[in-house]
Amino acid sequence: AQTVTQSQPEMSVQEAETVTLSCTYDTSESDYYLFWYKQPPSRQMILVIRQEAYKQQNATENRFSVNFQKAAKSFSLKISDSQLGDAAMYFCAYRSAGTSGGYNKLIFGAGTRLAVHP
Amino acid sequence: KAGVTQTPRYLIKTRGQQVTLSCSPISGHRSVSWYQQTPGQGLQFLFEYFSETQRNKGNFPGRFSGRQFSNSRSEMNVSTLELGDSALYLCASSSRQGNSGANVLTFGAGSRLTVL
Repeated sequence: AQTVTQSQPEMSVQEAETVTLSCTYDTSESDYYLFWYKQPPSRQMILVIRQEAYKQQNATENRFSVNFQKAAKSFSLKISDSQLGDAAMYFCAYRSAGTSGGYNKLIFGAGTRLAVHP
Repeated sequence: KAGVTQTPRYLIKTRGQQVTLSCSPISGHRSVSWYQQTPGQGLQFLFEYFSETQRNKGNFPGRFSGRQFSNSRSEMNVSTLELGDSALYLCASSSRQGNSGANVLTFGAGSRLTVL
């Protein structure tokens, strides 16, 4: 079974600085998808960024980028120029590319609470 | 366009009762998934529906059930409620049938269930 581990329960960053959130996962599959979701106090999960395992190039979305290390099974999220609105819980998630696990079954890590200080 | 709508947003039940939660996906989305979020267990997959068919089910007891209607709206039901069922129940929808990187889930704001 696949597992996702986020070893940092809490992180903090100063506004305008850069922070990196860690995520490791365990799988025997070669093809899969990885995601970072953000959950602000409003509770609504928002997709931040996604990565296909077959792509070597790291995904980037504006101030958000990932460092995907397939061999090490690591998928960290870097937030540049942090803003107050980035404060939230961040969840790393794994989805199998096969059909046996269903098309939309995400396996989530425990989350990292990010605080942004002015 | 409107997002994923979940109702009710908050509800309180007592042990032994049953509850039904509703999820209206984004217009045009035919896939609906449900997740349970608790402080102790985190986010766990409950089930997934596509075109009124359950495609996958998580490791939950039979007290947890769901269904999807022809208009893609989905409901989940929990019978004989236990204290441990207190959680945030999240619904998510997606437009694509197949499994690709473009198949992204859009989540609703959740239904907060408290069991007393």
